[in-house]
Amino acid sequence: NAGVTQTPKFQVLKTGQSMTLQCAQDMNHEYMSWYRQDPGMGLRLIHYSVGAGITDQGEVPNGYNVSRSTTEDFPLRLLSAAPSQTSVYFCASSSRTSGRARVMFFGPGTRLTVL
Amino acid sequence: ELKVEQNPLFLSMQEGKNYTIYCNYSTTSDRLYWYRQDPGKSLESLFVLLSNGAVKQEGRLMASLDTKARLSTLHITAAVHDLSATYFCAVDRSGGSNYKLTFGKGTLLTVNP
Repeated sequence: NAGVTQTPKFQVLKTGQSMTLQCAQDMNHEYMSWYRQDPGMGLRLIHYSVGAGITDQGEVPNGYNVSRSTTEDFPLRLLSAAPSQTSVYFCASSSRTSGRARVMFFGPGTRLTVL
Repeated sequence: ELKVEQNPLFLSMQEGKNYTIYCNYSTTSDRLYWYRQDPGKSLESLFVLLSNGAVKQEGRLMASLDTKARLSTLHITAAVHDLSATYFCAVDRSGGSNYKLTFGKGTLLTVNP
């Protein structure tokens, strides 16, 4: 049971390039989400999904796209990278059916630098 | 808009001392989470507080929740170096379904010998 996995661990992009951050979970969790972490800002929600085929925007969605074609995978696409998107990106998942004490599990993160 | 405020943001303490981290939030929620993050690592769940008056303890850490005051505390007893990390509180804003969390900015705790 690998939990939540993310690839790549590190990435450097040039302004204007596009890329996809991969996220997968093997816990059969319905809920998945993407957060970005910037120094002194805590974590901020980018997009989330409550099930395959269903996604919605979080607090800071501009410049990012998501899709959820399977329960396991939730990729995050940067359409045209900007220096303001330099950050650490965390994918997370949680279960709808594990009772009241639903814990959100986080992946190891992707450190992205946009030059 | 839900706001979550932690204080202090930086905490340097000596081993053996006690201290409390505070987490205030601006709108009604009866679910609050505490996470720990070591440098360069992911977030690890510490506590899930589900109702008013909830208290959870694990080792030298104890968390409590007062939903009427919209306040949670993380109390550290007799700190040791291994507790050095950043601690985040987070409030559920998905009506209890735990798919949208709003995080505080984090408290960087350094425990000195």
